[in-house]
Parts: sequence; C-alpha cells; structure tokens
Amino acid sequence: AQTVTQSQPEMSVQEAETVTLSCTYDTSESNYYLFWYKQPPSRQMILVIRQEAYKQQNATENRFSVNFQKAAKSFSLKISDSQLGDTAMYFCAFMTHLSGGYQKVTFGTGTKLQVIP
Amino acid sequence: GAVVSQHPSRVICKSGTSVKIECRSLDFQATTMFWYRQFPKQSLMLMATSNEGSKATYEQGVEKDKFLINHASLTLSTLTVTSAHPEDSSFYICSARGIGANVLTFGAGSRLTVL
Repeated sequence: AQTVTQSQPEMSVQEAETVTLSCTYDTSESNYYLFWYKQPPSRQMILVIRQEAYKQQNATENRFSVNFQKAAKSFSLKISDSQLGDTAMYFCAFMTHLSGGYQKVTFGTGTKLQVIP
Repeated sequence: GAVVSQHPSRVICKSGTSVKIECRSLDFQATTMFWYRQFPKQSLMLMATSNEGSKATYEQGVEKDKFLINHASLTLSTLTVTSAHPEDSSFYICSARGIGANVLTFGAGSRLTVL
C-alpha cells in the first residue's frame, strides 16, 4: 500500500520569503507520479506542480519548484517570493497505475500555509 | 485547460431522502472519475473510483449501496447518497482523469448538509 506523509500540519511565512513544505511517501512501485495540490479557502483543489518518477530533473512552475529525491522517497515543495494568495492547504499526492488500467491516488494529510503580510 | 464542473455546490436535505451530485468534464473525456469525501480540516478520503461503462470500485469501508456511483458517459459521473443521515453531512469532491492524462482535475466540491 502507498502512504504519503506530510509532517508539518501548519506553517507560516512572511510575504516575499521562501518556504519549503515537506512530503515523504512509501511505495514499492517504480513508475508513479507525484503532485502538489493547493486548496484555498474556496476549497477548490488546484494543481500546483507534478513530477514523473522516471524524470530525474526537478519540476518547476514559476515560483514553485520541487526537490524530488527518489531514493529517499522525498518530494518537497519550495515556494519562492511567497504571496498572500499562496495562503492555502497544500496536499502532496501520489498516483500509481494498478492492473487493469486503473489508477489510485493517495493524498497526504495536508499542510496549512499562512502567508503573513 | 481541463475543467470539471460539479453540481450542486451546496445542498441541504432532510434525513431519509436521497441526494444526487453530478460531476462533468466540460472540455475533455474522462475515462476515470474519483469521488472523495473531506471532513473539516482533514485530507481527502477516496470513496470510489469509476471508469466509464464499468461498475465503480469502492474503497474499504465505503457502503456501495449507500453511495451509488454511475459513470454512464465519458463526461458525466454521478454520486447519489441514498437515505441520507446527518452523519453523511460532509464535503464531497469529484476529480476526473482524461484519456492518457496523468493528472487529476477537480470539481469545486459539494457541501451536503443532512438535517
């Protein structure tokens, strides 16, 4: 079974500063996908960034980047130049392919990020 | 980009009645749709996975007779909460995966309140 662990229930960061959210996972699969989703107060889940496990290069999307350490099964999210709109719950997620073409997505428990003006 | 519409966003019903929540992929064909339940300040709990034209696969502990899922077309999946009770009150979220896609697109969620 896959598990996703986010050890930081809450974090805060000053506006314009950098913050890193941690995520570790456990799997026996070799091919999988990792995601960070953001859930603002509106509760709409928004994809922040994704990483294919077979790619060694860390994914980057503007101010968001990841540090993917496959051997350590670690997938942290770095937010640079934090903005007030980044205030949200952040969920790390893991997707694997099961037999029969099915996928299973497992979410971590989330990290509540507060950006302080 | 891919858009998933979920309706209704809020629904209040009396105990014992049934409620249907729709999840539509607006600009892509969704081969797989997932239904989640989220309690306040908690993570998303996967309830079931539905593939178009097939019976839904329910997670352990989720009553399939209670939470009926239908995925009759590549753009529509429905979740029906049958004989709803106050403990079914929750936030329900659907997500969809397009053909060949390896990312989920989420609906905006539906808040169900059972009186």
